[in-house]
Amino acid sequence: DTGVSQNPRHKITKRGQNVTFRCDPISEHNRLYWYRQTLGQGPEFLTYFQNEAQLEKSRLLSDRFSAERPKGSFSTLEIQRTEQGDSAMYLCASSQRSSGANVLTFGAGSRLTVL
Amino acid sequence: GIQVEQSPPDLILQEGANSTLRCNFSDSVNNLQWFHQNPWGQLINLFYIPSGTKQNGRLSATTVATERYSLLYISSSQTTDSGVYFCAVERTGTASKLTFGTGTRLQVTL
Repeated sequence: DTGVSQNPRHKITKRGQNVTFRCDPISEHNRLYWYRQTLGQGPEFLTYFQNEAQLEKSRLLSDRFSAERPKGSFSTLEIQRTEQGDSAMYLCASSQRSSGANVLTFGAGSRLTVL
Repeated sequence: GIQVEQSPPDLILQEGANSTLRCNFSDSVNNLQWFHQNPWGQLINLFYIPSGTKQNGRLSATTVATERYSLLYISSSQTTDSGVYFCAVERTGTASKLTFGTGTRLQVTL
């Protein structure tokens, strides 16, 4: 078990460019979550998938954000026309809900800086 | 949505001291996790504890679900305990996301 893997770990981009982050969950986990964390704050929920279905999206996820999880495996989070306010750590987590328990395991995150 | 508040917001301890971190939440929950975020940003799961008491080495946690709070105890603190501690909850009746608290920033000094 290699844990939750996120790439790239760091991304610096200019305002207006598009960026894409990838998350590879723990292989047997059917749930995958994206969170965003800005400096000094706790992580904020963006969206989550159960298998390939996107079941919930936060209002934080504007039209410039899109997430996919083709075939219920890895997931991508794309941000179009980046703005300086998008600068944050983007965290991915996965879980396997069983017997009522839903224990999330987080990746190391992808830090985005928009210049 | 559910509100999660943590206290204290900041804590400075000398190595070897004990501490108690508190998490209050505004609704009934079926999932509660404590995380430690290290200086590199990695969130490490410490406990899954929607109710009851658990211990893992120098750390222990207690959740009193009926009174809507959880406590994290750190004994004999070490400099490696420094970082931010988050409580996160999932409201009962939902089958979705964890909502995170505001965090407690802990600094352990020599």
